[in-house]
Amino acid sequence: EIVLTQSPATLSLSPGERVTLSCRASQSVSSYLAWYQQKPGQAPRLLIYEASKRATGTPARFSGSGSGTDFTLTISSLEPEDFAVYYCQQRSTFGQGTRLEIK
Amino acid sequence: QVQLVQSGAEVKKPGASVKVSCKASGYTFTGNYLHWVRQAPGQGLEWMGWINPNSGGTDYAQKFQGRVTMTRDTSISTAYMELNRLRSDDTAVYYCARDRVNYGDYQLDYWGQGTLVTVSS
Repeated sequence: EIVLTQSPATLSLSPGERVTLSCRASQSVSSYLAWYQQKPGQAPRLLIYEASKRATGTPARFSGSGSGTDFTLTISSLEPEDFAVYYCQQRSTFGQGTRLEIK
Repeated sequence: QVQLVQSGAEVKKPGASVKVSCKASGYTFTGNYLHWVRQAPGQGLEWMGWINPNSGGTDYAQKFQGRVTMTRDTSISTAYMELNRLRSDDTAVYYCARDRVNYGDYQLDYWGQGTLVTVSS
């Protein structure tokens, strides 16, 4: 079974900063990787699918990259509404999440 | 617009069963797989399985094999997830979520609002 390891577990940043979140797979997953954003009390929201394609409604400041075992989600300039938990997913496996906090 | 509306919160005793519904609208119900994902309090996301609403075919996570049943009623565009022999560690928010495409690539583009299931004696 594939294991997805996200790093770091928590990030404290300020609005306007650029951030890169990491997701590493225990074996190659090609490009079938998705990223989700979850805010407290809400369902997850699909941001990125197939590693680099923005889902409908995802702002352009979000970008995904990677293939094989190493993937990243980049937010070019943090907006206040971006502070949330981010999960990567490959088929039936989710990463443990990265919490993005306001500094 | 695509919507998935789930049934309300449940409180169950250990050993009981729970059945959560997920009513779809705004798209062709039989055109996309539906997945169930749960989230224990303060924890991450855990995939439980999917149902193909067209055929009724299912695939369950090994952890839930023998305890979970996913069904659908195409006449009312509703999917169901039933979990048996509940334990306290089944306390979680249960989500249904739509697969982005019609062959199950596990990338979930619309989610229900979640159903809190509390298991307590």
